[in-house]
Amino acid sequence: GQQLNQSPQSMFIQEGEDVSMNCTSSSIFNTWLWYKQDPGEGPVLLIALYKAGELTSNGRLTAQFGITRKDSFLNISASIPSDVGIYFCAGQSYSGAGSYQLTFGKGTKLSVIP
Amino acid sequence: KAGVTQTPRYLIKTRGQQVTLSCSPISGHRSVSWYQQTPGQGLQFLFEYFSETQRNKGNFPGRFSGRQFSNSRSEMNVSTLELGDSALYLCASSLDRLAALSKPGANVLTFGAGSRLTVL
Repeated sequence: GQQLNQSPQSMFIQEGEDVSMNCTSSSIFNTWLWYKQDPGEGPVLLIALYKAGELTSNGRLTAQFGITRKDSFLNISASIPSDVGIYFCAGQSYSGAGSYQLTFGKGTKLSVIP
Repeated sequence: KAGVTQTPRYLIKTRGQQVTLSCSPISGHRSVSWYQQTPGQGLQFLFEYFSETQRNKGNFPGRFSGRQFSNSRSEMNVSTLELGDSALYLCASSLDRLAALSKPGANVLTFGAGSRLTVL
């Protein structure tokens, strides 16, 4: 099946620093989604990307849909303690016979040191 | 506006038993999809239901099944539980089908808090 390689797996940063994480795949995706999951909660959508090359911001978060449609990155600027959590990328793709699926990366666990 | 509600939040079962999990989508959402989350495999897509019909299916054995009712509420069932079925099961709802996620607009996928299943 399709796989998304998300990196880094975890990162420790100082409050105020910028953060960058990315997802790559050998498969093409129609849509890229970035989610954040807090402990004991379900993932919450941060940014959705719909076309190759698209660059979208949501406050301090910026994400881009790679021009090959096989990758995406998420940047967080000026990190704050509440940015702590696990960030997931997800790609929507056509799997044939009229079916679609959503594939997730393994997540990037972000820790922010005050 | 109420979010996606999953019940129960926690449950413990033993091997060989079966379990049924429930998901109430956001009002007006017609698609419900289910996911399994484990530390080793991450988030994996199980299946999607739309208008009471299974529309998409991931790579899980037939022990995993689901259904959707006319009010869009959905249940998933796992029969003959195995230790490896221990996981957080998440459901997500959206206005339209997963296929429409590629269309910019209001078809946002919203997750519930999950049901944590422990199999002993």
